[in-house]
Amino acid sequence: GAGVSQTPSNKVTEKGKYVELRCDPISGHTALYWYRQSLGQGPEFLIYFQGTGAADDSGLPNDRFFAVRPEGSVSTLKIQRTERGDSAVYLCASSFGPGSTEAFFGQGTRLTVV
Amino acid sequence: DQQVKQNSPSLSVQEGRISILNCDYTNSMFDYFLWYKKYPAEGPTFLISISSIKDKNEDGRFTVFLNKSAKHLSLHIVPSQPGDSAVYFCAASARGSTLGRLYFGRGTQLTVWP
Repeated sequence: GAGVSQTPSNKVTEKGKYVELRCDPISGHTALYWYRQSLGQGPEFLIYFQGTGAADDSGLPNDRFFAVRPEGSVSTLKIQRTERGDSAVYLCASSFGPGSTEAFFGQGTRLTVV
Repeated sequence: DQQVKQNSPSLSVQEGRISILNCDYTNSMFDYFLWYKKYPAEGPTFLISISSIKDKNEDGRFTVFLNKSAKHLSLHIVPSQPGDSAVYFCAASARGSTLGRLYFGRGTQLTVWP
């Protein structure tokens, strides 16, 4: 498709388990972002990639969270030892990169930790 | 600490009337502002943006006004339509030459009734 694609759309996992969330950005977009949205809140920044490298990872809450983008396209957000407080919608966005004026969001992955 | 604030969690407007959504920010480094619209179970959709070198940007029924001295921006929708009913997020960036991290407000739920 032409838009940002995120899989899975829903994920239920048990506390303490490891999860991976995938993002396919719009073709040709060099910048990729991960955000997290909790109920009643706006999206909260996690990490931003320019190409393969993390240009800004200051939003990652702790070392249980990690993201990669090995070939500068698809990105995976990895969460170790999940906690109930990690339950949220995880949003991915992409943009053309330097000079961009907007970021395009995917539909999100709803993560529920039980 | 919330650097972008949307103090009205909800707004209800009759079809055909004007909707005015407000947003305040605290960081004087922000130089680029965006509005996103979000329907349930979908990702945010870009609506309109404004650079800090302007005080107004218009796109069809949507106009964004920026008051830098007051650190305030507003989104005007005229005329409002039932399909405009959604959550509206204000976002800001210390863009410089690249979009980078966006700081979001908590959103305002707009309901347009016939």
